[in-house]
Amino acid sequence: EVQLLESGGGLVQPGGSLRLSCAASGFTFSSFAMTWVRQAPGTGLEWVSTISGSGDSTYYADSVKGRFTISRDNSKNTLYLQMNSLRTEDTAVYSCAKGSVGESPSYGMDVWGQGTTVTVSS
Amino acid sequence: DIQMTQSPSSVSASVGDRVTITCRASQGISSWLAWYQQKPGKAPKLLIYTASSLQSGVPSRFSGSGSGADFTLTITSLQPEDFATYYCQQTNSFPLTFGGGTKVEIK
Repeated sequence: EVQLLESGGGLVQPGGSLRLSCAASGFTFSSFAMTWVRQAPGTGLEWVSTISGSGDSTYYADSVKGRFTISRDNSKNTLYLQMNSLRTEDTAVYSCAKGSVGESPSYGMDVWGQGTTVTVSS
Repeated sequence: DIQMTQSPSSVSASVGDRVTITCRASQGISSWLAWYQQKPGKAPKLLIYTASSLQSGVPSRFSGSGSGADFTLTITSLQPEDFATYYCQQTNSFPLTFGGGTKVEIK
């Protein structure tokens, strides 16, 4: 069964850091682009970042560029999101998602994790 | 960045109704559009990709159409399990932006 399981969320003060992980199973992890999407309480979906299967190419939303870093360890089938300089507006449920067709992000995301909650508050 | 505008933001409908949701891109995106369904507390589910291709396992009462900047998601004969929030997402270029969502509620 194809599965994604996020971890690493929690409560952090403004300016702090957190690293999220997404453990993948049931598919050839290195063959697919992976994405982080977040959803603040009571709001819609916001794309955060995407990384290619090899990890060579990364893309970020303007709202997180320079503060967040996406990476992956294909030997461990794990996706990461390093979040630095956190702001209250980064409070959200963060979910990882798998690209539905190989390296291309153009065909949508067909498998999603249940998400991990990040709360930025003093 | 490409902005995605969905309408309506909410719609009330009854079981058996036909529901249409529209999504407009701020610039042409060819057919690079996906639709997702999200139920409360659950992960989004991919329904449609490349504007009109039905994801495997999705019931045929869901259909997508459009190209360029204007797109439509249609649900024919709404079922109880279809009450949810629907999002479009442009997959043409980064940043991959979502629409604001359309909540389909029970009338």
